[in-house]
Amino acid sequence: NAGVTQTPKFQVLKTGQSMTLQCAQDMNHEYMSWYRQDPGMGLRLIHYSVGAGITDQGEVPNGYNVSRSTTEDFPLRLLSAAPSQTSVYFCASSRPSRGAANIQYFGAGTRLSVL
Amino acid sequence: AQTVTQSQPEMSVQEAETVTLSCTYDTSESDYYLFWYKQPPSRQMILVIRQEAYKQQNATENRFSVNFQKAAKSFSLKISDSQLGDAAMYFCAYLDTGTASKLTFGTGTRLQVTL
Repeated sequence: NAGVTQTPKFQVLKTGQSMTLQCAQDMNHEYMSWYRQDPGMGLRLIHYSVGAGITDQGEVPNGYNVSRSTTEDFPLRLLSAAPSQTSVYFCASSRPSRGAANIQYFGAGTRLSVL
Repeated sequence: AQTVTQSQPEMSVQEAETVTLSCTYDTSESDYYLFWYKQPPSRQMILVIRQEAYKQQNATENRFSVNFQKAAKSFSLKISDSQLGDAAMYFCAYLDTGTASKLTFGTGTRLQVTL
């Protein structure tokens, strides 16, 4: 009963390095999203996807890339890490269902530090 | 764009007492959902309660209940019989039915529970 799985849990990068944050869900959810959480600012949407092959930008997309080749996976790529990307990153998934009120299920988060 | 405001950065409650966390939101939509999420020190985002805007009846989940005032765009969370395990960050979140993968969060309220 895995739900939403994020890897890694912690990561330290140097400025300019690239990396991919992995997100996988086993609930056959169509919708997946990436958020970042910074102190005093709540969670903000980076990118989201409403199905395989379909992605769109959220509130804070700059510096991040996403793709969705399968229903299960939604990786987040940092092409050239910057200290401003130091944050906690959450992946979430949901199913479009009025009865279930579109509940989003969250992964455990990835704490990223960029030096 | 929708906004969610939590005006109480920190709250404190004694064990077994009742506390109310405030949330207001701004939207021009008529059909949407509202949520309260709990984030304990483990960082996991846990759904506490949800409310569908088309339902007039306030949602309840065991010791948790909401006061949903649609005209005033207010959505407060009441925690009754507070327990030590209720200590956490609490986030109010908004989702409109046309953007089912895009949650908008408030900045959070840190709840402390004392003996």
